[in-house]
Amino acid sequence: EDKVVQSPLSLVVHEGDTVTLNCSYEVTNFRSLLWYKQEKKAPTFLFMLTSSGIEKKSGRLSSILDKKELFSILNITATQTGDSAVYLCAVSQGGGADGLTFGKGTHLIIQP
Amino acid sequence: DSGVTQTPKHLITATGQRVTLRCSPRSGDLSVYWYQQSLDQGLQFLIQYYNGEERAKGNILERFSAQQFPDLHSELNLSSLELGDSALYFCASSVAGGPLETQYFGPGTRLLVL
Repeated sequence: EDKVVQSPLSLVVHEGDTVTLNCSYEVTNFRSLLWYKQEKKAPTFLFMLTSSGIEKKSGRLSSILDKKELFSILNITATQTGDSAVYLCAVSQGGGADGLTFGKGTHLIIQP
Repeated sequence: DSGVTQTPKHLITATGQRVTLRCSPRSGDLSVYWYQQSLDQGLQFLIQYYNGEERAKGNILERFSAQQFPDLHSELNLSSLELGDSALYFCASSVAGGPLETQYFGPGTRLLVL
C-alpha cells in the first residue's frame, strides 16, 4: 500500500527558531514530491521536488529530496508567527495514478 | 488566491440527502481533481478529470460521482449522505493532469451532514 508519513505530527517553537519537518514515502512509480502549506483553508503550493540532492529555496523555506532513502525535509529558518500552519507532504505517481497521496501533515505553531 | 473557485463555501444537510459541489479550474487548466479532507483520514484523492473525460479514480465511494463539462468546470455529486461524509471537499486543477505538474487547490467546500 502506498504511504506517506510525516513527522513530527505537531511542533511548537518560539519565533526565530529553525525547524525541520520530515516526510518519508513508500509508493510505486514515484514521480515527484510536493510540499504544501495549509492555514485556514486551501493548501498552497510551496515546492515540487523531482531530483535527489537539489535544494529548492524560497526565502526562509528550503527543501531537499533523497530518492535513495525515500524522504524529504522542509526547513524553515528564522520562523515567524505567520509560519504557523499545517505543512503537508504529497507524492505524485506515474502509471495512471495521477492523484496526489498526502501525509497527515505537521501542525506547526510558532509562539511569539 | 490560486485561481480555482469552489461553491458553495459551506453546506449543511441531513443524512440521506444529495448535494452537488461545483468547481471552476484556473484559466487554461484542463485537468480537475477532487479531494476529501477529514480529521481522521487526512487529504484523500477521489477522482480526476481531464478535458471532460475521467482519467483516474482514487478512494471514491459508489455513492459519489463527478463530471467535467465542456466549459471545464466540474461538479461532484454526493448522494445518500451519511454522517461520515462530513468533511472539507477540495478541488484542484493543473494544466494537463500529468504527474509532474503542480496541482493548485481551491478554497474548499465544508460539508456538514446532520
